[in-house]
Amino acid sequence: DIQLTQSPSFLSASVGDSVTITCRASQDISSNLAWYQQTPGKAPKLLIYAASTLQSGVPSRFSGSGSGTEFTLTIGSLRPEDFATYYCQQLHSLRDLTFGGGTKVEIK
Amino acid sequence: QVTLRESGPALVKPTQTLTLTCTFSGFSLGTSGLCVSWIRQPPGKALEWLALLDWDDDENYNTSLKTRLTISKGTSKNQVVLTMTNMDPVDTATYYCARMNLAAAGTFDFWGQGTLVTVSS
Repeated sequence: DIQLTQSPSFLSASVGDSVTITCRASQDISSNLAWYQQTPGKAPKLLIYAASTLQSGVPSRFSGSGSGTEFTLTIGSLRPEDFATYYCQQLHSLRDLTFGGGTKVEIK
Repeated sequence: QVTLRESGPALVKPTQTLTLTCTFSGFSLGTSGLCVSWIRQPPGKALEWLALLDWDDDENYNTSLKTRLTISKGTSKNQVVLTMTNMDPVDTATYYCARMNLAAAGTFDFWGQGTLVTVSS
């Protein structure tokens, strides 16, 4: 099974900051990576798919990049509603789906 | 409008079998590229993919839980059922059903609100 390692697992930032979260895959997954945002008590929300494609309705301050085994999610100019936990997810095949361990973004 | 909703018991005893139903609307599971999946999240922990039923009725499972899981269509064409046998307290989690869309690179583009299942005697 493919493993996804997110870093950091926790980060503290201020409104207006730009932050970057990394997701590393244990083997090449091409661009088959998505990012989700989850706020407490809610289901995850899809932000980005195919590593860099913004889901409809997601603000442009969110961006994704990478391919192969290393990927990043960048949030430019944090807003209060962006303080949440972020997960990456890979689809190598329908038989091998995994999520990263999550990155919690908290207000400094 | 795509919606999904999970239903099932909030409390099960150790060794019992859990049965959860996902009732969805706004899409057809027979549409090529669409799948329904189950994902869980223990309190304070990360998401874990469990199982998937695709448009061709093929089933796929998390390899570490495969022997305990069964995913199938429900009695209604807009339902997907997950059964998990031999429940243990470590299986306490919020269980989500979600639509997977291969046209969006195999991502979960719509989710249910989740249902918390507690395993306790």
